[in-house]
Amino acid sequence: EIVLTQSPGTLSLSPGERVTLSCRASQSITSPYLAWYQQKPGQAPRLLIYGSSNRATGIPDRFSGSGSGTDFTLTISRLEPEDFAVYYCQQYGSSPFTFGPGTKVHIK
Amino acid sequence: QLQLQESGPGLVKPSETLSLNCSVSGGSISSNSYYWGWIRQPPGKGLEWVASIYYDGSTYYNPSLKSRVTISVDTSKNIFSLKLNSVTAADTAVYFCARQVRFLEWLSFHDYWGQGTLVTVSS
Repeated sequence: EIVLTQSPGTLSLSPGERVTLSCRASQSITSPYLAWYQQKPGQAPRLLIYGSSNRATGIPDRFSGSGSGTDFTLTISRLEPEDFAVYYCQQYGSSPFTFGPGTKVHIK
Repeated sequence: QLQLQESGPGLVKPSETLSLNCSVSGGSISSNSYYWGWIRQPPGKGLEWVASIYYDGSTYYNPSLKSRVTISVDTSKNIFSLKLNSVTAADTAVYFCARQVRFLEWLSFHDYWGQGTLVTVSS
């Protein structure tokens, strides 16, 4: 099973700031089959990025993803008030499909 | 617009079977472009993939739950279902159903999710 580690666990930031979230895998992820999701309290996760760097439909271009192998990042170029949420990475290169523990981005 | 809606009991007794349905509207569950799956989230914790199914009945399970889980599909009703037997308090979670894109004949990311339903295991 591929274990995903996300860092930092929590971030305290202000609107307008740039943020980079990290996701590290315990072994290399095929191809790269890595997705990012955003989850707000009481809501289902929302797909942001798939294939490491492809934005999902309707996702603003302030969100970008990169990485390959075992190291991946999600960058939000300028935080908007609606971006304060928990972000999860997920690998789907091998079963079981695993999620990272999440990074919570909250308002400073 | 595709919509997924979970339904089922919100309270299940320990050792009994958790049963959930996911109704799909705005799209066909028989599409050859998607799988359909369940993900759960214990209160205040992270996400865990539980199982997925293709419209032809092919199933995929998380090994950690495989001995207790059954996923099934009813294409005539456009629904798929989850059964988890011998539940304990550790199975208390919000259960989400979701569509999973089929890419190169393999399961990939989840692009549409239901709102989730909280299932509590308690006597």
